Amino acid sequence: GENVEQHPSTLSVQEGDSAVIKCTYSDSASNYFPWYKQELGKGPQLIIDIRSNVGEKKDQRIAVTLNKTAKHFSLHITETQPEDSAVYFCAASINAGGTSYGKLTFGQGTILTVHP
Amino acid sequence: KAGVTQTPRYLIKTRGQQVTLSCSPISGHRSVSWYQQTPGQGLQFLFEYFSETQRNKGNFPGRFSGRQFSNSRSEMNVSTLELGDSALYLCASSRRAQGVGEKLFFGSGTQLSVL
Repeated sequence: GENVEQHPSTLSVQEGDSAVIKCTYSDSASNYFPWYKQELGKGPQLIIDIRSNVGEKKDQRIAVTLNKTAKHFSLHITETQPEDSAVYFCAASINAGGTSYGKLTFGQGTILTVHP
Repeated sequence: KAGVTQTPRYLIKTRGQQVTLSCSPISGHRSVSWYQQTPGQGLQFLFEYFSETQRNKGNFPGRFSGRQFSNSRSEMNVSTLELGDSALYLCASSRRAQGVGEKLFFGSGTQLSVL
């Protein structure tokens, strides 16, 4: 089955710096890649997602890039703020033939700490 | 619009007991998925329901089961609890529109502790 590797496991940056989290996936059939942010005591919150027919997507300070050939995708956060501190998860799924089975395979998570 | 609601928020059980967790999806969402989150294994897919039918199942023993009702609300049940079942159980709902990229929205989870 699908396997998703996420690096680094912890990331510490100063406020205003950029943060980059990288993920690789094993199944070339994967075609949907969401990123989630999880704060303490809460469930994962979808922050951005990308489909396999798109190489890059940006939403304000957050961007995701996808390299299908290398089977890796990355989350970029610019101008980090203390409220960006959380655990970030990448995920991958296979959506075939216009239907979804809701199964996401998650990376192990990255604990991001933004120091004021 | 209310988000995904899970009850109870916390639960303490002893080994051998069974437990039922409840999930109310976002209004209009017809698919409900369940995930188990532990520090060691991370987030792992349990199962997904759509229109009261289980569409997909993860690699968990048969002690883990679920169902979905006609109003899309879902319950999951764990029988004969083991210490290793202690985890945060997350429910996620999606609208299930046709096409690639089904966005999943998670609830805050039920924290289950097995003593």
